[in-house]
Amino acid sequence: DSGVTQTPKHLITATGQRVTLRCSPRSGDLSVYWYQQSLDQGLQFLIQYYNGEERAKGNILERFSAQQFPDLHSELNLSSLELGDSALYFCASSALVVSDTQYFGPGTRLTVL
Amino acid sequence: DQQVKQNSPSLSVQEGRISILNCDYTNSMFDYFLWYKKYPAEGPTFLISISSIKDKNEDGRFTVFLNKSAKHLSLHIVPSQPGDSAVYFCAARSNSNSGYALNFGKGTSLLVTP
Repeated sequence: DSGVTQTPKHLITATGQRVTLRCSPRSGDLSVYWYQQSLDQGLQFLIQYYNGEERAKGNILERFSAQQFPDLHSELNLSSLELGDSALYFCASSALVVSDTQYFGPGTRLTVL
Repeated sequence: DQQVKQNSPSLSVQEGRISILNCDYTNSMFDYFLWYKKYPAEGPTFLISISSIKDKNEDGRFTVFLNKSAKHLSLHIVPSQPGDSAVYFCAARSNSNSGYALNFGKGTSLLVTP
């Protein structure tokens, strides 16, 4: 158990809808990262927050947004969903903005029908 | 563009033998490399890492080798055990404009047979 929690575990929705994925980092970790793993793809970095502020952006679509709250949990919002957004979404956390190791949660499997 | 490549999607090894998983990268800005292990229905778990200033790091049965000139790293597992069967991801970190996020390969599925 990495100490990172993600909810929900599974999510099934329809095209055009909006969903919110939630992540709670390990106790004491200030940095949260979001990754997407599509079929046959490695994990693709989406975005990083550190202590409430956005620190780095990867291949995140404009339809996607994220935020980190004062209690350090983070939410990833996906809107106008398309079939191709079906994927595993992982959250990871680390203690510092630059940390050697990121600890991953179990992921949320999103299915868009 | 895939900056971290794991060209072998799968590998099968007998229990007790050595498993060698390979990884190539293209970005010379990468300064830290990690291996993660992933079981089905779980998130990736950190396994071992190596800084670009080193060429070898060992932790128990796991050793990572880095060849900077070839932009290549490998993970050796000796001896391999059935419990090592999982997908192994190679990852690299740079302090470029994408921050300190990790760039992952697509993974190699290792099967260790009794």
